[in-house]
Amino acid sequence: RKEVEQDPGPFNVPEGATVAFNCTYSNSASQSFFWYRQDCRKEPKLLMSVYSSGNEDGRFTAQLNRASQYISLLIRDSKLSDSATYLCVVITWYGNKLVFGAGTILRVKS
Amino acid sequence: GAGVSQSPRYKVAKRGQDVALRCDPISGHVSLFWYQQALGQGPEFLTYFQNEAQLDKSGLPSDRFFAERPEGSVSTLKIQRTQQEDSAVYLCASSQRAGAYNEQFFGPGTRLTVL
Repeated sequence: RKEVEQDPGPFNVPEGATVAFNCTYSNSASQSFFWYRQDCRKEPKLLMSVYSSGNEDGRFTAQLNRASQYISLLIRDSKLSDSATYLCVVITWYGNKLVFGAGTILRVKS
Repeated sequence: GAGVSQSPRYKVAKRGQDVALRCDPISGHVSLFWYQQALGQGPEFLTYFQNEAQLDKSGLPSDRFFAERPEGSVSTLKIQRTQQEDSAVYLCASSQRAGAYNEQFFGPGTRLTVL
């Protein structure tokens, strides 16, 4: 079983739609959580950190549920430019590395 | 501004050849990480340097993989006797301070194809 699991998608949505992705992690020692975005054949870039209290950055909202060990990302009013792979990432308290999920593909269509 | 750079961007090797992949991190960044990304997968950790010290090499898949950062800046990932399963994108990332908790900035990667 992978340490971080994501639905690979693809999620095909029209412009303006709201879309949500979930991610589950298996290691209870996971302490920090992030969403990264990766465009096709490009490097991953940090989208946002995820906090227990939930956090919002414009059209993007991230939530963490430690009891159930899952993380979510909500994108409102989808834009064509949101089309990318969204990678769920965790770090354990003892770790020196980012642990990535396999990513969820989002395609926003006009 | 200058980000993380990697060279070569593309490398084709015949099975059994040795390859060397270079990473130039952002100037002054203490931490440097190497990841391997297979097609359709997320990046997987290979190794971590804090300055010139290799503090974690738990992700290196075999003893054919070797990484160094002798002066605490540029790093080289070497793969000896390449195999087809080594075909992947190799990503380098750097961050300003020690440890994995600070934002990591990724380079564009080296796409390695082993024939």
